[in-house]
Amino acid sequence: RKEVEQDPGPFNVPEGATVAFNCTYSNSASQSFFWYRQDCRKEPKLLMSVYSSGNEDGRFTAQLNRASQYISLLIRDSKLSDSATYLCVALGYGNKLVFGAGTILRVKS
Amino acid sequence: DAGVIQSPRHEVTEMGQEVTLRCKPISGHDYLFWYRQTMMRGLELLIYFNNNVPIDDSGMPEDRFSAKMPNASFSTLKIQPSEPRDSAVYFCASSLAPGLADTQYFGPGTRLTVL
Repeated sequence: RKEVEQDPGPFNVPEGATVAFNCTYSNSASQSFFWYRQDCRKEPKLLMSVYSSGNEDGRFTAQLNRASQYISLLIRDSKLSDSATYLCVALGYGNKLVFGAGTILRVKS
Repeated sequence: DAGVIQSPRHEVTEMGQEVTLRCKPISGHDYLFWYRQTMMRGLELLIYFNNNVPIDDSGMPEDRFSAKMPNASFSTLKIQPSEPRDSAVYFCASSLAPGLADTQYFGPGTRLTVL
């Protein structure tokens, strides 16, 4: 079993839609979690950290459920520019970032 | 700041050849990471350095891979001999601390194709 698992998608949504991604992690000792965004043929970039109490950054909301060991990302009012691959990341053993394989989002007009 | 710099951006080589990838981290970042990304395996950490010293190389796939960091502003990842299954995008990243994702920045990557 992979340490961080995500639905690869793709999620095809119209502009303005709300879309949610989930991610599960297997290491119950993980303390920190993040969402990265990766555009086609580009490097991953940090989108947001995920806090235990949940956090919001504009149209993006991240949630952490420790009991069920999953993390979610909600995107409201989707824009064409949101089209990308979203990588779920957990801080694993030895303070190493462990990346999920990513979820592809395609926003269409 | 110029960010993390990697060269070359693209490399096409033939099986059996030596390949050297280069990275210049962000100035002041004490940690440097080498990752490999493929469709099958996603983004995997190969090795990371702290203050030019290799700390964890457990992700290095085999002896054909080696990495060095002779000084704070330069690192190399070498594959010798290269094989077609090494084809991937290799990213270098640097950060102030290993677990602080908000300080870890990736370079643009080197797209390696081994024929």
